[in-house]
Amino acid sequence: IAGITQAPTSQILAAGRRMTLRCTQDMRHNAMYWYRQDLGLGLRLIHYSNTAGTTGKGEVPDGYSVSRANTDDFPLTLASAVPSQTSVYFCASSPTDRDYTDTQYFGPGTRLTVL
Amino acid sequence: GQNIDQPTEMTATEGAIVQINCTYQTSGFNGLFWYQQHAGEAPTFLSYNVLDGLEEKGRFSSFLSRSKGYSYLLLKELQMKDSASYLCAVRDGDYKLSFGAGTTVTVRA
Repeated sequence: IAGITQAPTSQILAAGRRMTLRCTQDMRHNAMYWYRQDLGLGLRLIHYSNTAGTTGKGEVPDGYSVSRANTDDFPLTLASAVPSQTSVYFCASSPTDRDYTDTQYFGPGTRLTVL
Repeated sequence: GQNIDQPTEMTATEGAIVQINCTYQTSGFNGLFWYQQHAGEAPTFLSYNVLDGLEEKGRFSSFLSRSKGYSYLLLKELQMKDSASYLCAVRDGDYKLSFGAGTTVTVRA
């Protein structure tokens, strides 16, 4: 069982280019999340999906879009990358069993540099 | 909005104890999490508190006071491998996590 995988591991991208970060989980978790992590700011929620077919905006959604066609996959797209989107991106998932901790589990991250 | 504060850095000696404090102000509260993150790696779950009091898990303990908006993570018998960032995260009324900026703990021999 892999848990959560992300691709690519790292990417250097020219400003203005379109980029999709991939995220796949095999735990059959209902909820999935995208965060960005910047030095001194901690993890910030970009978008989330509580279940397949639904998505929602987090704290910093501008410039990003997501889709959730099935339970396993939750891609994050940058339509036209800008240098301020240089960051480490983490995908996470949780079972959304609200009787218990509903812990979020994180993927290994994608390090994105926009020049 | 959410406001979560924790110290930026702490240094301690191998075998010692370190306490990382976290204070928070959030709209709604549905639990507080601590995560460990080694440099260049993903955050991994350490502990969860939703009721007041102390939760102990081996060398790690976490405490919560909801009335004070306060938590701490206690690391005992420090080992070199405990050098990492420790993230405090609060789950709000919408079941979303807000993270503090993290505390980098350096363990010295």
